[in-house]
Amino acid sequence: EAGVTQSPTHLIKTRGQQATLRCSPISGHTSVYWYQQALGLGLQFLLWYDEGEERNRGNFPPRFSGRQFPNYSSELNVNALELEDSALYLCASSLSVRGRGYTFGSGTRLTVV
Amino acid sequence: RKEVEQDPGPFNVPEGATVAFNCTYSNSASQSFFWYRQDCRKEPKLLMSVYSSGNEDGRFTAQLNRASQYISLLIRDSKLSDSATYLCVVTTGTASKLTFGTGTRLQVTL
Repeated sequence: EAGVTQSPTHLIKTRGQQATLRCSPISGHTSVYWYQQALGLGLQFLLWYDEGEERNRGNFPPRFSGRQFPNYSSELNVNALELEDSALYLCASSLSVRGRGYTFGSGTRLTVV
Repeated sequence: RKEVEQDPGPFNVPEGATVAFNCTYSNSASQSFFWYRQDCRKEPKLLMSVYSSGNEDGRFTAQLNRASQYISLLIRDSKLSDSATYLCVVTTGTASKLTFGTGTRLQVTL
């Protein structure tokens, strides 16, 4: 069974540009979660999508947005990039069943210069 | 106050030692609890769920104390390969969003 896949693995952008990160969940998983992990910091919750809808949002500015497609894959967009957006962005998927953990993808490392 | 708090460590222990990590959570309505393991520059991986009755998986034992709102992880007979950051994770409310602690770093040495 294929795991959660994320692309690209690495992304370098200039301040002010936009970044698009992609995630494909495990087959059969309908929920996708996005987390940001800045260097030396813990995982910060960004967004949760389920069945194509945004279900919950973390404490991030509106320039962080995303969507979930009918095939349950997801995209995270970050507009007007700032230097502090440099981080590992992790996507995870689950069956939306309480009590189940997530499976994470290997992440996209975004560097803003 | 952070929702999930952990001692960042590092815990430096010799191979074969027993080591324990604790984690506290602030929301008494938290419902599900997990320990994840994260290797350097890798994604977190689910180590084990934590149940009220306590549960064991090989050398790993997890405990939950709802009254005191803390979770523990015990690792017996530590191996070099156990060196990693251990993340305490809880879910609260109807959302299945996981809230992560900042992690406790373990370094097992020869």
